[in-house]
Amino acid sequence: GNSVTQMEGPVTLSEEAFLTINCTYTATGYPSLFWYVQYPGEGLQLLLKATKADDKGSNKGFEATYRKETTSFHLEKGSVQVSDSAVYFCALRGGTSYDKVIFGPGTSLSVIP
Amino acid sequence: DVKVTQSSRYLVKRTGEKVFLECVQDMDHENMFWYRQDPGLGLRLIYFSYDVKMKEKGDIPEGYSVSREKKERFSLILESASTNQTSMYLCASSDRWGTEAFFGQGTRLTVV
Repeated sequence: GNSVTQMEGPVTLSEEAFLTINCTYTATGYPSLFWYVQYPGEGLQLLLKATKADDKGSNKGFEATYRKETTSFHLEKGSVQVSDSAVYFCALRGGTSYDKVIFGPGTSLSVIP
Repeated sequence: DVKVTQSSRYLVKRTGEKVFLECVQDMDHENMFWYRQDPGLGLRLIYFSYDVKMKEKGDIPEGYSVSREKKERFSLILESASTNQTSMYLCASSDRWGTEAFFGQGTRLTVV
């Protein structure tokens, strides 16, 4: 079945550091890929998405590229801020209308001034 | 502004009680989901529904049931609450093709 693996946390970075959170997936067909973010005390919200190979999703300075050859969708940001402290979830959804969204375990990010 | 609303942010129930968690979405979405979120385990799918009166088991359905009588409402039912069901419960909805899932704020349930 479909699955998502992402790097273990927690991750602690200084403000303005470069961020990478690795995500790899296993899926049949042509899944859509997502990054969700959960700020403290809130539900999840979509950060970015990509629906086909080589697509790049971007939002709020974050980017991720759908790499079919390496089955990866790594999240990157060039310069993190304290306000980026949150839990980040990689997710995928299969290619049929009845497919469910599958989430990775989440990576907690803390950015210190 | 699109919205998924869960009926309670915090809930405390006693062991053995029947518990109802309600979720309402205003986006006319076909798909609705219930997840539980636990530290170190991420989000685990309990049940999902892709149409009124339709439901599918997720990865951890034991001890839970669901009801979807109307398109906008998806209820999670704990038939007899137990302490190991203490968790954060998240409801989500998406259109039929799942271009994006929208989440509620979550219900933190404590069973004592």
